[in-house]
Amino acid sequence: DAGITQSPRYKITETGRQVTLMCHQTWSHSYMFWYRQDLGHGLRLIYYSAAADITDKGEVPDGYVVSRSKTENFPLTLESATRSQTSVYFCASTPTSGSNEQFFGPGTRLTVL
Amino acid sequence: ELKVEQNPLFLSMQEGKNYTIYCNYSTTSDRLYWYRQDPGKSLESLFVLLSNGAVKQEGRLMASLDTKARLSTLHITAAVHDLSATYFCAVDIPDMRFGAGTRLTVKP
Repeated sequence: DAGITQSPRYKITETGRQVTLMCHQTWSHSYMFWYRQDLGHGLRLIYYSAAADITDKGEVPDGYVVSRSKTENFPLTLESATRSQTSVYFCASTPTSGSNEQFFGPGTRLTVL
Repeated sequence: ELKVEQNPLFLSMQEGKNYTIYCNYSTTSDRLYWYRQDPGKSLESLFVLLSNGAVKQEGRLMASLDTKARLSTLHITAAVHDLSATYFCAVDIPDMRFGAGTRLTVKP
């Protein structure tokens, strides 16, 4: 399907486990982003990527790792999940130039027990 | 510290009334975005404001940007129930910073 997709949509894991959230976009957008959404905080940027093999930290990167070997994929890994990482995670993308309006995926609801 | 502040955070309106949501930000930027989020859903882009004085309108919503005052407004005219949602502003400074959101409920 065209657009931006995330998987899984729901995930329950335990403290200390590694978890990878997937994001895939079909628009060939250069920029991709990961956000977490928590009540009262709006969305906070975790990591972003300007192109394949180029990533940079956002506002709340600690405890997360990203990679971008292909333009269309931008996985987010929690190397050792903690309860504080329970959140809804959104992936987004935007073209190289223009308005920088971001297009969001459907989100992944992650619960860490 | 970079801040994007929205107010009010919660807004309950009667159908047919007008109201304004405010978005203040703490550093220079000439790019501001408004998004809508329905409960349990993703974010949908509403407006992109790219310069001082920019005004955009769609249906009962109108957004404006004053970069000198570091202020954007989202004005709701004659509210209807379908506008019930959470509205976020976001500022490109240069990585995107979001406000905490305004949860709007429109009551009949």
